[in-house]
Amino acid sequence: GDSVTQMEGPVTLSEEAFLTINCTYTATGYPSLFWYVQYPGEGLQLLLKATKADDKGSNKGFEATYRKETTSFHLEKGSVQVSDSAVYFCALSRQNFVFGPGTRLSVLP
Amino acid sequence: EPEVTQTPSHQVTQMGQEVILRCVPISNHLYFYWYRQILGQKVEFLVSFYNNEISEKSEIFDDQFSVERPDGSNFTLKIRSTKLEDSAMYFCASSLQGAYTSGRGEQYFGPGTRLTVT
Repeated sequence: GDSVTQMEGPVTLSEEAFLTINCTYTATGYPSLFWYVQYPGEGLQLLLKATKADDKGSNKGFEATYRKETTSFHLEKGSVQVSDSAVYFCALSRQNFVFGPGTRLSVLP
Repeated sequence: EPEVTQTPSHQVTQMGQEVILRCVPISNHLYFYWYRQILGQKVEFLVSFYNNEISEKSEIFDDQFSVERPDGSNFTLKIRSTKLEDSAMYFCASSLQGAYTSGRGEQYFGPGTRLTVT
């Protein structure tokens, strides 16, 4: 069945560091891909999405590119802030949403 | 900006009791979903609902669970006889398009209801 794999956390970075959170997926066909973010004590918020190969989703300085050849959708940000501390979930949508296990990011001042 | 709301934010119940978790999806959305997240674990799909019937459910969604859209705005998840392992955060979501139909259906999530079964 469909599945999503993310790099294990937690990830701890200093403010202004470069962030990469790896995400790879297994699915038949061509799913849409998403990154959701969960801030402490809150629900899931859509961060960005890409619906077809080579699409780049971007929002709030975060970017991810849909790579069909490597079945990946890695999340990147050039300069993280303390306020980016949260859990990040990669997800795919085909029949329904399938979430990865989440990666906790802590950004230190 | 329209948002999905859920009540209560935290529900404590005793094992064996029935609970109803409530959600108000975004008003023009047609597809509704429930997910759960056991503390520290991944978000798991429970059920999707469209046109007043279940369109898909996971193996987690057994006979103890049911969903209903009792009126034009609410979407509820009922757990008939709660077990300790039902303790989790339950998220409601809604979308305008169906994930299955287009694979592009962006889902909007509510803030969740934390269910604690003692």
